[in-house]
Amino acid sequence: DTGVSQDPRHKITKRGQNVTFRCDPISEHNRLYWYRQTLGQGPEFLTYFQNEAQLEKSRLLSDRFSAERPKGSFSTLEIQRTEQGDSAMYLCASDRGLMNTEAFFGQGTRLTVV
Amino acid sequence: GNSVTQMEGPVTLSEEAFLTINCTYTATGYPSLFWYVQYPGEGLQLLLKATKADDKGSNKGFEATYRKETTSFHLEKGSVQVSDSAVYFCALSDREINNDMRFGAGTRLTVKP
Repeated sequence: DTGVSQDPRHKITKRGQNVTFRCDPISEHNRLYWYRQTLGQGPEFLTYFQNEAQLEKSRLLSDRFSAERPKGSFSTLEIQRTEQGDSAMYLCASDRGLMNTEAFFGQGTRLTVV
Repeated sequence: GNSVTQMEGPVTLSEEAFLTINCTYTATGYPSLFWYVQYPGEGLQLLLKATKADDKGSNKGFEATYRKETTSFHLEKGSVQVSDSAVYFCALSDREINNDMRFGAGTRLTVKP
């Protein structure tokens, strides 16, 4: 399988705990994106990387959120001191970074904060 | 800023019915337009795309035409099947303005036999 993979698929955590998600993009893709999707809504942009550089962050990404892509391959998204409002599907996508190219999405990590 | 407004659902149709899901956009530049589909339990998959005005994207019997004059990209299919049941998302991307893809809220389609 050479698609975008995300781990874990599901995560249940208690409020106040830290969680970390991982995304492995398609290997030749240099751009990697994180999105958040809540029930009944479309994906909302959080941040993106060009290789290892984090080039843009949405204002949705509070200081409790941090993302890394240390070697320009896989990426991690960490949420510290989780809140119930963080419960959502977290989607990762990757693409070649070219004009008019589509992004390929992983299956997402569903986070439930109890 | 750029945004997408999508027809609200849910939509329920009988098999072989005609489908239209409306999508309009607001953009300052010349975006590319996409339809993504999310089948139950799966990730978003690209269904079709159009990169400039008057282009028609098509795939699996679905079509959408990029209409700059009406800022629309409506999704159509002449005869839906039960297997088309999914959530459909309209999206736009304008790499000259920003680097993220903007999505509509999604339209859930259920096709009954």
